[in-house]
Amino acid sequence: NAGVTQTPKFQVLKTGQSMTLQCAQDMNHEYMSWYRQDPGMGLRLIHYSVGAGITDQGEVPNGYNVSRSTTEDFPLRLLSAAPSQTSVYFCASSGRWGAGEQFFGPGTRLTVL
Amino acid sequence: GIQVEQSPPDLILQEGANSTLRCNFSDSVNNLQWFHQNPWGQLINLFYIPSGTKQNGRLSATTVATERYSLLYISSSQTTDSGVYFCAVEKNAGGTSYGKLTFGQGTILTVHP
Repeated sequence: NAGVTQTPKFQVLKTGQSMTLQCAQDMNHEYMSWYRQDPGMGLRLIHYSVGAGITDQGEVPNGYNVSRSTTEDFPLRLLSAAPSQTSVYFCASSGRWGAGEQFFGPGTRLTVL
Repeated sequence: GIQVEQSPPDLILQEGANSTLRCNFSDSVNNLQWFHQNPWGQLINLFYIPSGTKQNGRLSATTVATERYSLLYISSSQTTDSGVYFCAVEKNAGGTSYGKLTFGQGTILTVHP
């Protein structure tokens, strides 16, 4: 099992550009989430999904879109990047029968100039 | 939303020393996890412990859900224990845990040889 994988590892964008951060898991987990981590802080929930076709907002959803067409994949889209979105992004997954223990991907470090 | 407070914010130890990290939370939870973020930014699951006590080698954790706190014990610390330790919880909203975690600010641990 690869677990939770994220691509790319690093990305630099200019203000106004769009991009998609990819996240995939091979553990057949129903629940997937996106978090961002800013310097010196804990992670904050952006969006989450409880299954294919079902998504909802977390604590800091503005400027981000998600969709979930398959159980395995949960991409995060930045439609018009802003410097305030410079952060490290983590994807996580957990299984319905795993009592909620979350497993995290390695992260994507995004810089918006 | 639920509040999570970790203490101390910083901790400096000599190799071989023991330490206790604390996590207080403001509401009933059905998910509590401890993570270690290593110097490369990777989040490593230490414990899934919404209640009770668990041990894994030199590390152990106890959660007293009725009093809304959790403790992480590190014994005989090693330089490789350095990094940031996060506590994360999910508010109990009817029993199901979807992995919507709220993180504390973390404890920065530095272990000197």
